[in-house]
Amino acid sequence: DTAVSQTPKYLVTQMGNDKSIKCEQNLGHDTMYWYKQDSKKFLKIMFSYNNKELIINETVPNRFSPKSPDKAHLNLHINSLELGDSAVYFCASSPQGRDAGELFFGEGSRLTVL
Amino acid sequence: GQNIDQPTEMTATEGAIVQINCTYQTSGFNGLFWYQQHAGEAPTFLSYNVLDGLEEKGRFSSFLSRSKGYSYLLLKELQMKDSASYLCAAMDSNYQLIWGAGTKLIIKP
Repeated sequence: DTAVSQTPKYLVTQMGNDKSIKCEQNLGHDTMYWYKQDSKKFLKIMFSYNNKELIINETVPNRFSPKSPDKAHLNLHINSLELGDSAVYFCASSPQGRDAGELFFGEGSRLTVL
Repeated sequence: GQNIDQPTEMTATEGAIVQINCTYQTSGFNGLFWYQQHAGEAPTFLSYNVLDGLEEKGRFSSFLSRSKGYSYLLLKELQMKDSASYLCAAMDSNYQLIWGAGTKLIIKP
């Protein structure tokens, strides 16, 4: 009964390909996020959605496009993959208000671009 | 700019106590969070401080001083399973989390 689930867990692909990562949460949260964690273990926010609306869009190449069909889902599509995109991508969700900083993370999707 | 500083790595002995420090600079402040991340796993929430003082939760305690822009995570009676990275994050005025790079804690028998 996973709270935040993302697929696939591992993704190995060639440069130039397009790939997607899916994320779903069953916690009833209004806010969902995509984070990137590189080899130096720095967690960097990429996008944040609140009730299907984009509220944070950090400086991320426009090859990355999030899509939120409903508030329980936030998918990430990446076009024309580059070597530097290799990282672990975490989806997360959080409640609103005072508890907004209590994020629930998915298991992560490890992307390797060859 | 906004910044979080914490040590890169610390080593401690099983059964001992360790304190992981974190200093922060943010535009506004809506709380300080600590997360634990085991290798190859997702971060998990440990604690939240918004008022000055110490919050205790079992073997883990977290302290905040807003005037100093400083927090620490205190781990007592260390166990081998506490070997992990500990991430400090401050929430700014836009309710956005600003993350530190994490402190890798190594526990030795």
